[in-house]
Amino acid sequence: SQTIHQWPATLVQPVGSPLSLECTVEGTSNPNLYWYRQAAGRGLQLLFYSVGIGQISSEVPQNLSASRPQDRQFILSSKKLLLSDSGFYLCAWSVQAFYGYTFGSGTRLTVV
Amino acid sequence: QKEVEQNSGPLSVPEGAIASLNCTYSDRGSQSFFWYRQYSGKSPELIMSIYSNGDKEDGRFTAQLNKASQYVSLLIRDSQPSDSATYLCAANSNYQLIWGAGTKLIIKP
Repeated sequence: SQTIHQWPATLVQPVGSPLSLECTVEGTSNPNLYWYRQAAGRGLQLLFYSVGIGQISSEVPQNLSASRPQDRQFILSSKKLLLSDSGFYLCAWSVQAFYGYTFGSGTRLTVV
Repeated sequence: QKEVEQNSGPLSVPEGAIASLNCTYSDRGSQSFFWYRQYSGKSPELIMSIYSNGDKEDGRFTAQLNKASQYVSLLIRDSQPSDSATYLCAANSNYQLIWGAGTKLIIKP
């Protein structure tokens, strides 16, 4: 069966520090991968999605970037965090969007 | 701009009653529709998917789809306090799901 791993679960980082969040999927090949952010009490904001290795589409221009160095690995990064980067970051995968997504357990990021 | 709209709530329902959640979508090309449940501080969990007009039942949950009206609903029968959560509606559009902002459901014991 397929599983998705996301870590860390919580993270407190100072303003201006770098960020690296990792997501990996097991049990499937060539998944579509997604990074979302959810601010407190708000809906899901799509940040990046990828349909293959090295292919990244950005939905929101900001100081975040994403990479997909391996088929089942998706990384969200920032060189310098802003206070506004605080939120709940979710990784998700799908075979095709038609069949829905499966989410990882999420990372709660607080920038202080 | 393709959108999915939901009433943000909160929707308060007595325990044991039927909870009715609704959403509308703008992309007539959408072919699949989903309801996710999200407990506070947790990630969304898929509870129902529906692909054709009509009703789809799974236990206490029934999803309803009306493509002509671009309307999707979720009924929860015999509501339990454990059903208290935010319910997210989503519709597929090209490579992505388009998400509603979610409806907060509160089941009162």
